Amino acid sequence: DSGVTQTPKHLITATGQRVTLRCSPRSGDLSVYWYQQSLDQGLQFLIQYYNGEERAKGNILERFSAQQFPDLHSELNLSSLELGDSALYFCASSVGLARPDTQYFGPGTRLTVL
Amino acid sequence: GENVEQHPSTLSVQEGDSAVIKCTYSDSASNYFPWYKQELGKRPQLIIDIRSNVGEKKDQRIAVTLNKTAKHFSLHITETQPEDSAVYFCAASIMGDNNDMRFGAGTRLTVKP
Repeated sequence: DSGVTQTPKHLITATGQRVTLRCSPRSGDLSVYWYQQSLDQGLQFLIQYYNGEERAKGNILERFSAQQFPDLHSELNLSSLELGDSALYFCASSVGLARPDTQYFGPGTRLTVL
Repeated sequence: GENVEQHPSTLSVQEGDSAVIKCTYSDSASNYFPWYKQELGKRPQLIIDIRSNVGEKKDQRIAVTLNKTAKHFSLHITETQPEDSAVYFCAASIMGDNNDMRFGAGTRLTVKP
């Protein structure tokens, strides 16, 4: 157990809908990262937050957005869902200032868009 | 930005043999290289990492080597066991407060008993 929690574990929804994925980082970690992993694919970096502020952006679609709250948990919002958005979504956390800043992954949320 | 390439994409070995996975990176400023193991349906887990001031690091049956000049690093697993079967990801980043880590595409390792 990495100490990073994600909810829900599974999510099934229809095209065009909007969903919110939630992540709680390890105690003491200030950085949160979101990744998308499609079937048999690698880890695509979406976005990083550090202490409530956006720090880095990867291949995140405009239909997707995220935020990190004062208690440091983060939410990833996916809207106007398409079939191709079906994937495992991982959240990772790190201390944020460590050198190196090792990332620890949560168990993931499996999103299925029908 | 950083680009990480990983080879091979699949690797099959006999139990007891060694397995080697190689990665190259593009940004010479990268100085931190972790390796993650992901079992089917589970989260990626850090198994070993190396900083750029070190050429090799070992942890039991796992070792990682780094060649800064050539900008490549490798994961070596000796005496492979069936439980080593998983997808392995390499990654590269620049240590600092903007931890923009890039992952390789992954290598699916199968260890045959």
